[in-house]
Amino acid sequence: DAGVIQSPRHEVTEMGQEVTLRCKPISGHNSLFWYRQTMMRGLELLIYFNNNVPIDDSGMPEDRFSAKMPNASFSTLKIQPSEPRDSAVYFCASSPGTGLTDTQYFGPGTRLTVL
Amino acid sequence: QKEVEQNSGPLSVPEGAIASLNCTYSDRGSQSFFWYRQYSGKSPELIMFIYSNGDKEDGRFTAQLNKASQYVSLLIRDSQPSDSATYLCAVMNSGYSTLTFGKGTMLLVSP
Repeated sequence: DAGVIQSPRHEVTEMGQEVTLRCKPISGHNSLFWYRQTMMRGLELLIYFNNNVPIDDSGMPEDRFSAKMPNASFSTLKIQPSEPRDSAVYFCASSPGTGLTDTQYFGPGTRLTVL
Repeated sequence: QKEVEQNSGPLSVPEGAIASLNCTYSDRGSQSFFWYRQYSGKSPELIMFIYSNGDKEDGRFTAQLNKASQYVSLLIRDSQPSDSATYLCAVMNSGYSTLTFGKGTMLLVSP
């Protein structure tokens, strides 16, 4: 299996620009998670989808952030407009289901720098 | 606010020693617990999970769980320089399949 695929791996943009991060989960996995990791705050859950439906978006920082999962094999996280404080590594993870032992597998991450 | 606490470290151990990593959590309803390893610049990768009180062994790794004390630990026997990484404790939130992560403990194993 190819694992979780994320693109781009690195993104450098200027404040105010729109940023779109992409994720392809592992085939057959029903749950998808978007995380943000910074030195100060660690790894934070932004949003969780189950069977393509957003279940918990309480971690989305503000209206500038939005996420979609139009089908089982693709999800996007969009930031519009971007701000320097959005600079972080964004990870997508997927898991087979919602059981107690269902492990989350992480993609390689997208390192976002907003100038 | 569900919290997962870890000592940030660094925890320094010599090669061949036992490294002990600890984690406490606030959600008393949590049922399963995960340890991830993250090398610098890489993504977290699962080491093991535990959901029953007691010890669970997998090779050089042993996870220990005490739900009454809300405490999870990871022991690494015969530590190797390649074990040098940040270790993240993650707790599955009661009622969901989401995880709350600690900020991690950096482990340094010196040759």
